[in-house]
Amino acid sequence: KQEVTQIPAALSVPEGENLVLNCSFTDSAIYNLQWFRQDPGKGLTSLLLIQSSQREQTSGRLNASLDKSSGRSTLYIAASQPGDSATYLCAVNTGANSKLTFGKGITLSVRP
Amino acid sequence: DAGVIQSPRHEVTEMGQEVTLRCKPISGHNSLFWYRQTMMRGLELLIYFNNNVPIDDSGMPEDRFSAKMPNASFSTLKIQPSEPRDSAVYFCASSRGQGAFFGQGTRLTVV
Repeated sequence: KQEVTQIPAALSVPEGENLVLNCSFTDSAIYNLQWFRQDPGKGLTSLLLIQSSQREQTSGRLNASLDKSSGRSTLYIAASQPGDSATYLCAVNTGANSKLTFGKGITLSVRP
Repeated sequence: DAGVIQSPRHEVTEMGQEVTLRCKPISGHNSLFWYRQTMMRGLELLIYFNNNVPIDDSGMPEDRFSAKMPNASFSTLKIQPSEPRDSAVYFCASSRGQGAFFGQGTRLTVV
């Protein structure tokens, strides 16, 4: 059974800092991995999708990497801003039309 | 595309009543997922469909929960009878194999 872990559960950083959010999964036989952002009381917004054959994906100040063999992914946020404050969730997919298994998320607070 | 559309956005109901949550997936997506989110347990998959067929309903808590997908553009999640412990945010998501896209969720409160 696939299990996804995100540690720590919460993180507080000053504005401008570069930061890394970690995600680990137990079964390396994944199809893809997706990072989401969730604002309080809102739905999940997809940030980045990494296919199992890829090592990283970039979108603006965000960069996600994937190391399938070690069961790890990281989300790198450059020059963090208060608007980045949200919960970031990692989810892995074991097949093209299969279910996503989620971590519990990391709640990020960026202090002005 | 308007994205995944869920209704209602908020539902408050009394214990014992029937509750029906609705979802319209993104056009062209052939997979649909129902998730439940609580503070204690995070996001849990309840059931998912491929091409309108239920594939895995092992996450459905008990017989009080049922889900249907009569066609490619509509799905319902029904709780009958509802209980206070069903209070949560219920999300619907759809996919065509390249990432999942979520609706805004239905916040259910059972009093």
